[in-house]
Amino acid sequence: EVQLLESGGGLVQPGGSLRLSCAASGFTFSTYAMNWVRQAPGKGLEWVSAISGDGRRTYYADSVKGRFTTSRDDSRNTLYLQMNSLRAEDTAVYYCARLSSAAATDDWGQGTLVTVSS
Amino acid sequence: QPVVTQSPSASASLGSSVKLTCTLSSGHSSNIIAWHQQQPGKAPRYLMKLEGSGSYNKGSGVPDRFSGSSSGADRYLTISNLQSEDEADYYCETWDRNTRVFGGGTKLTVL
Repeated sequence: EVQLLESGGGLVQPGGSLRLSCAASGFTFSTYAMNWVRQAPGKGLEWVSAISGDGRRTYYADSVKGRFTTSRDDSRNTLYLQMNSLRAEDTAVYYCARLSSAAATDDWGQGTLVTVSS
Repeated sequence: QPVVTQSPSASASLGSSVKLTCTLSSGHSSNIIAWHQQQPGKAPRYLMKLEGSGSYNKGSGVPDRFSGSSSGADRYLTISNLQSEDEADYYCETWDRNTRVFGGGTKLTVL
């Protein structure tokens, strides 16, 4: 069974930093591209970032480009999202999600809440 | 980049059928999409991948009541024999080489 478990969320002040982690199990992590998707309170889903299976290519939404960095450690089966220069509008539940071979998001974690507030 | 458009809300009676629509923007009418369900207070759940041909592949454990179809730039999710647990937000997702987008979601109410 595929499991994706996010951690690292919490309350941070505007301008601060936070690193999210996503521990993966139940599949061969190193062969899958992965996603971060967020959801602001009461809003819809917003794609944040993706990373290729080999970790060589990363992609970002314009809203986070230059502030967020996605990486992975295949030896630990873990995906990361380093978030810098955080803003109030980054407040959201952040989901880790797997990308299938056909590029669809086909499995989701339970999410971790990030609140940016003074 | 692609854009996907969904109606904000839909409603249907218990035991009936409903067809939700996701419309792809110009130039992206052949895109593959994915449908996701988000029940209140829960994480999203992958339902299916749907191609422009109408061929679809469902995720593990997705009931037979859920099916997909396509016509031009429109991608459909049909739910038959509606159950109370089908009351949820439904999102479509598509992508290109460097980005992916989600529709605004359709809130389905089961009457």
